[in-house]
Amino acid sequence: EDQVTQSPEALRLQEGESSSLNCSYTVSGLRGLFWYRQDPGKGPEFLFTLYSAGEEKEKERLKATLTKKESFLHITAPKPEDSATYLCAVPPPVGIKAAGNKLTFGGGTRVLVKP
Amino acid sequence: NAGVMQNPRHLVRRRGQEARLRCSPMKGHSHVYWYRQLPEEGLKFMVYLQKENIIDESGMPKERFSAEFPKEGPSILRIQQVVRGDSAAYFCASSRGSSNQPQHFGDGTRLSIL
Repeated sequence: EDQVTQSPEALRLQEGESSSLNCSYTVSGLRGLFWYRQDPGKGPEFLFTLYSAGEEKEKERLKATLTKKESFLHITAPKPEDSATYLCAVPPPVGIKAAGNKLTFGGGTRVLVKP
Repeated sequence: NAGVMQNPRHLVRRRGQEARLRCSPMKGHSHVYWYRQLPEEGLKFMVYLQKENIIDESGMPKERFSAEFPKEGPSILRIQQVVRGDSAAYFCASSRGSSNQPQHFGDGTRLSIL
C-alpha cells in the first residue's frame, strides 16, 4: 500500500523565519505529487503538482521541490497568513490499473506563524 | 464562485437516520471524488465517480454507504442508518480528467451524529 509521511507534524515559526516541510513517499512509478493547503473549517486548496524528480514550482513565499523519494515545501519569510495545515498527496502509481486519480494523503503539517 | 459546491455545510442526524450529502463539481469537471476526514485523522479516499458510473468504490464501507452521480444534478453521498462513528467531515473533489489532473475540493459537509 502506498505510504505518504509528512514531517514535522507541527511547526511553529516566527514571522520571517524560513523553514521546510517534508513529504516522503514509498510509491514506485510516481505519477505526480500534489501539495494542498487547508485552513480550519475549509477544504484543501490546491497549490502545486510536481511530476518528476528535480522539478520545482513556486507561488509567492512557497516553493515545492521533488526528488525520487520525497518532496519539500519551502516557506520563505513566512507571514501569519501562511498559517495552515499543508498536505501532500500522491495518486496511484504507474502500472496499476487503478481508476482515475484517487489520492493518498499524508497526515499533514500544521504550520503556525507568529507575528 | 465557480468552485466545488457542497451542501449542507453542517448536518446533524440522530443514530439510525439517513444522511444525504450533495456535491456540485466545478464547471467543466466530469470526475468526482469523495473523501472522509475523521477527527484528528487525515483525508481518506472513499469513492470515485463519473457521470452515471461508479468507477472505484474501494474506500467506501460496503454497508450503509452509497454514492451516485446522475446525468443531471449533483453527486450524492448517502449514509443510511448512521452511527456515531460516521461523524466526520466529508469532502468532495472534482477534476477535469483522471490522469494527473489536480483535484479541487469543496469546503466539506460536517456530519454530526447525536
